[in-house]
Amino acid sequence: SQTIHQWPATLVQPVGSPLSLECTVEGTSNPNLYWYRQAAGRGLQLLFYSVGIGQISSEVPQNLSASRPQDRQFILSSKKLLLSDSGFYLCAWDHYTEAFFGQGTRLTVV
Amino acid sequence: GQQVMQIPQYQHVQEGEDFTTYCNSSTTLSNIQWYKQRPGGHPVFLIQLVKSGEVKKQKRLTFQFGEAKKNSSLHITATQTTDVGTYFCAGGLLPGNTGKLIFGQGTTLQVKP
Repeated sequence: SQTIHQWPATLVQPVGSPLSLECTVEGTSNPNLYWYRQAAGRGLQLLFYSVGIGQISSEVPQNLSASRPQDRQFILSSKKLLLSDSGFYLCAWDHYTEAFFGQGTRLTVV
Repeated sequence: GQQVMQIPQYQHVQEGEDFTTYCNSSTTLSNIQWYKQRPGGHPVFLIQLVKSGEVKKQKRLTFQFGEAKKNSSLHITATQTTDVGTYFCAGGLLPGNTGKLIFGQGTTLQVKP
């Protein structure tokens, strides 16, 4: 069966520090991969979208970047975090059907 | 760009009352999906509608896809406290747009016991 792993679950980072969140998918090949951010009490903001290795679409200009070094691995990064980067980050995958979400990472930038 | 608008943003109901959330797309969709996110959790898939005018039911939940495949609704009959959460619609774009999902902003439902 397909599963999606996202870690860490919670992260507190100082302003200006780097960030690396990792997401891996098991049980499927060539999935579409997504990174979303959700501010407290708000909707899902699509940050990055990938249809294959090395293929990344950025949906909004921001302080973040994404990479897909392997078919089932999606990484969200930042060189220097801002206070405004705080939020709930969700990785998801789909295969042109329903989307499956990871458990999310709650990032607090202090 | 393509947008999916969802209303209302928040809804407070008394337990036993009905609840409806509406979703509208700026473009024709290939399908519409609905997700539920419990407080503190991640979105979980509920259902997918594909056909024009399609109606599907899951117990007290009724999902509709408009004839033009641009709008959808989720109706909950006789809400219960277990229905609390945020409901998202997500539109699948037509072929040629890579199939990515566009999520609405969600409707957060509070149910008073």
